[in-house]
Amino acid sequence: GAGVSQSPSNKVTEKGKDVELRCDPISGHTALYWYRQRLGQGLEFLIYFQGNSAPDKSGLPSDRFSAERTGESVSTLTIQRTQQEDSAVYLCASSTPGTGRAQYFGPGTRLTVL
Amino acid sequence: RKEVEQDPGPFNVPEGATVAFNCTYSNSASQSFFWYRQDCRKEPKLLMSVYSSGNEDGRFTAQLNRASQYISLLIRDSKLSDSATYLCVVVTTDSWGKLQFGAGTQVVVTP
Repeated sequence: GAGVSQSPSNKVTEKGKDVELRCDPISGHTALYWYRQRLGQGLEFLIYFQGNSAPDKSGLPSDRFSAERTGESVSTLTIQRTQQEDSAVYLCASSTPGTGRAQYFGPGTRLTVL
Repeated sequence: RKEVEQDPGPFNVPEGATVAFNCTYSNSASQSFFWYRQDCRKEPKLLMSVYSSGNEDGRFTAQLNRASQYISLLIRDSKLSDSATYLCVVVTTDSWGKLQFGAGTQVVVTP
């Protein structure tokens, strides 16, 4: 079946612009996660959705970052007034509900802020 | 101290050889464990879950040692395609079972 999809695959923007990144989870996966991975670094947790509520937003690095989810479907991660340090790969993952379920990742969006 | 620690490597392994590496975790109440692999500039992909009694999937064997709080991954008969970064993942026991990712161990299989 279809995996997690993300769009765009690459995004180049100028400092100060807003960007929106999109994630389509695997059908039936009610849990959705956003991560950031800077070049050569590990995964950095950003936010977790269960359905359309976000019980854990603790990883969002600043108030320039926000995310929303429509029902148990698409999620968008918005970064306002982008900065160069926002350059990274943004990864989305989804899983079935329940503690300790394996997460399945999308291919990521590579964001470059000039 | 990080919740999940891994030797970053690289582990340079001749093709056909066996390589093993560990991952330690700090939360003694951790419940679920996984190994993921990540190829260069690609997303992490689930390799295998780790069960209490240890488990095998083809050339890959995972072990869990709760007393010493580590998990291990052993790769037998290494292939060039096994070259990747292997991520250790531990589920903490907070309210929603957050996955904690290690920074990864790099394995390079050489001809």
